Amino acid sequence: GENVEQHPSTLSVQEGDSAVIKCTYSDSASNYFPWYKQELGKRPQLIIDIRSNVGEKKDQRIAVTLNKTAKHFSLHITETQPEDSAVYFCAASIRGSQGNLIFGKGTKLSVKP
Amino acid sequence: DAGVIQSPRHEVTEMGQEVTLRCKPISGHNSLFWYRQTMMRGLELLIYFNNNVPIDDSGMPEDRFSAKMPNASFSTLKIQPSEPRDSAVYFCASSARGDYGYTFGSGTRLTVV
Repeated sequence: GENVEQHPSTLSVQEGDSAVIKCTYSDSASNYFPWYKQELGKRPQLIIDIRSNVGEKKDQRIAVTLNKTAKHFSLHITETQPEDSAVYFCAASIRGSQGNLIFGKGTKLSVKP
Repeated sequence: DAGVIQSPRHEVTEMGQEVTLRCKPISGHNSLFWYRQTMMRGLELLIYFNNNVPIDDSGMPEDRFSAKMPNASFSTLKIQPSEPRDSAVYFCASSARGDYGYTFGSGTRLTVV
């Protein structure tokens, strides 16, 4: 089955710097790659997603890139702000959202003012 | 839309007792997922349903866990008998065909003492 590895497990940056979180997946049939943000004590919330027919997607300060050949995808956050502090999860699925999302273990991002 | 609604928000029970967690998916969503979140194992899929039919329950830890979806607007996750190692946050999520995002509920924090 699918296995998703996520790195780093913790990341600390200064406000205004960029943050990059990387994930690799094992199943070449995976075709959907969402990213979730979970603030302390709250639910995971979808922040951006990418499908396998696209190499990059941007939404304001966040972007996701996908390399299907290497089976890895990354989340990029530019001009980080303290409110970006949270745990970020990547995930992969071979059936889009109608199937099983396999999550990475999460990255705890701390943005220091 | 009120989103995915889970109840109760918190549950404290004694070892050996039966616990029932409840979920109401977003109206019109045809897939429903139960996840368990712990510090050690992260987000683990327990079971998911498409059109009220269980598709994959391979993540259910053991026979003490059971899940039902009697109709499109309600699902339950039952643990009988409960054990201290079942303590975790249990999330329900739903998604719609053609919409690639999951929406998570607020979760139920279960403590078994």
